[in-house]
Amino acid sequence: EVQLVQSGTEVKKPGESLNISCKTSGYTFTNYWIGWVRQMPGRGLEWMGIIYPGDFDTRYSPSFQGQVTISADRSISSAFLQWRSLRASDTATYYCARWLRSKDYFDSWGQGTLVAVSS
Amino acid sequence: AIQMTQSPSSLSASIGDRVTITCRASQGIRNDLGWYQQKPGKAPKLLIYGAFNLQSGVPSRFSGSGSGTDFTLIINNLQPDDFATYYCLQDYNYPWTFGQGTNVEIK
Repeated sequence: EVQLVQSGTEVKKPGESLNISCKTSGYTFTNYWIGWVRQMPGRGLEWMGIIYPGDFDTRYSPSFQGQVTISADRSISSAFLQWRSLRASDTATYYCARWLRSKDYFDSWGQGTLVAVSS
Repeated sequence: AIQMTQSPSSLSASIGDRVTITCRASQGIRNDLGWYQQKPGKAPKLLIYGAFNLQSGVPSRFSGSGSGTDFTLIINNLQPDDFATYYCLQDYNYPWTFGQGTNVEIK
């Protein structure tokens, strides 16, 4: 069974760094893209970027380029979303999702990680 | 970036109604579009891919159509489980973009 399990809720202060994770299982990690999606409180979905763990090819939305870093660790079948300096506006739920390239859709999703940034 | 204009932003409907949601792309995207359903506090769930292909396990009352710039999601015979927010997502080129969402509420 394909599973994407995300790390837990984070409460942080502005300026702090953060790394959230998406642990995958049930499939060959290096064969599928993993994307990240932001959902701010009460708002819609925003596509942030995507990584292919097979060769670490990474694409970002211009809205998030330079604001976050998407990475992957093949040894533990996990993808990561990293901030160097959080802002209050980063408060949101972040989802990871597996992209099924053969049919072009996100077929499996993590449960979401709530990140709250407040002084 | 391709803009996806989704409408309406919200609608009220009754059980058994037919609901139509549209997404318009700012440029042609062939049929590189999916529809996702999201319920409060939950991750999105795929309904339709490639504009009109029903995902396995999704009830046949859901259907998608369109190509190029104009796309439609139709829900026939609306059921209680269908009250949710619906999003389109284009994957024609980077950056992929979601529509703003349509909240389907109970009338």
